[in-house]
Amino acid sequence: DTGVSQDPRHKITKRGQNVTFRCDPISEHNRLYWYRQTLGQGPEFLTYFQNEAQLEKSRLLSDRFSAERPKGSFSTLEIQRTEQGDSAMYLCASSIRISATGELFFGEGSRLTVL
Amino acid sequence: TQLLEQSPQFLSIQEGENLTVYCNSSSVFSSLQWYRQEPGEGPVLLVTVVTGGEVKKLKRLTFQFGDARKDSSLHITAAQPGDTGLYLCALPYGGSQGNLIFGKGTKLSVKP
Repeated sequence: DTGVSQDPRHKITKRGQNVTFRCDPISEHNRLYWYRQTLGQGPEFLTYFQNEAQLEKSRLLSDRFSAERPKGSFSTLEIQRTEQGDSAMYLCASSIRISATGELFFGEGSRLTVL
Repeated sequence: TQLLEQSPQFLSIQEGENLTVYCNSSSVFSSLQWYRQEPGEGPVLLVTVVTGGEVKKLKRLTFQFGDARKDSSLHITAAQPGDTGLYLCALPYGGSQGNLIFGKGTKLSVKP
């Protein structure tokens, strides 16, 4: 049984470059979430998908950010024209169904450093 | 204004000591989750508490949900270096969507 998988684990880029992160959720999970975590903070919600539909986006998700889940399986999060303020850990999580208590299974994260 | 306040922010103790960390809000929770996050890793769910006054135990960890469902605590007995990590509380919002609001966490360091 594999958990949530994220790639790459670490990414260093120069300001202005585009980056893309990939998330493979637990196979039977139909919900997929992206969170961002900066130093000293808890994770902050960015967006989530149910199957291939993107159902909610946070105001943190500026127009430089785009997330897709084309076939309802893996998801990508792209950041265009990166800024130093984008440096953070990007966490992906998945869940199997609508749950009243909303437990999530997180991946190990993709750490982005923008120079 | 942070919806969830966690305290203390940092805690450094010796192996074998007991400790309690807190999660508080001015709002009533429908349920609350506790996660532990190790450096460079994603959070891992420890427990979900749902009922006011509920107490759940996970080995040396005891989780309590306040009677009024506005606060929760995590007590660790005889802490070990393996307990080191960031302890986060989180509550779901948006009905049954499963989106979570996290506190800033308590960073625990247990020294051998």
